[in-house]
Amino acid sequence: AQKVTQAQTEISVVEKEDVTLDCVYETRDTTYYLFWYKQPPSGELVFLIRRNSFDEQNEISGRYSWNFQKSTSSFNFTITASQVVDSAVYFCALSGRRGTYKYIFGTGTRLKVLA
Amino acid sequence: DAGVTQSPTHLIKTRGQQVTLRCSPKSGHDTVSWYQQALGQGPQFIFQYYEEEERQRGNFPDRFSGHQFPNYSSELNVNALLLGDSALYLCASARLAGDTGELFFGEGSRLTVL
Repeated sequence: AQKVTQAQTEISVVEKEDVTLDCVYETRDTTYYLFWYKQPPSGELVFLIRRNSFDEQNEISGRYSWNFQKSTSSFNFTITASQVVDSAVYFCALSGRRGTYKYIFGTGTRLKVLA
Repeated sequence: DAGVTQSPTHLIKTRGQQVTLRCSPKSGHDTVSWYQQALGQGPQFIFQYYEEEERQRGNFPDRFSGHQFPNYSSELNVNALLLGDSALYLCASARLAGDTGELFFGEGSRLTVL
């Protein structure tokens, strides 16, 4: 069975601090995809990144970076120099073969960035 | 370019009633998926529609049904509503051909069952 665990329910940081959101996944598939989504109060899930199981290269996009480690089944997300606008719920998700949109989401981590 | 649009945004029903939620996918998208998000939880996959057929289904009872129209828009129907059906219902769309794996989500329809 597939499963995504986000053990951190809520994190509070002060603006400009760095913060890492953890994601651990379980799957028996050899090919799979991992995602991070941001959910602001409006409710809409905003896509941040997709990684496939064959690409363990870390990625950086502005203040965001992702660390994918198959050995520990983790796909962690770091925000550098956090800003108040980063306050939201962040979800990690897992899917199987390409073209399937049956995503397995974690329970989310609520990030509060205080001014 | 309009994104995924859903209606209504909020609605209140009583137990036993039926509800229909509507979704228009992002322009150029041809597949629609529906998710249920209970308060404080992550979204759970209900089903996916493509070419007007249900392609995949999550672990939801037959009370949950859907439809996709020729213009790719979609409806989610829930019959015999239970209190536990209270949730945010999210519609997501993508373009299956040339799939980039990115699902675009709407802002959801918040259903309250009393």
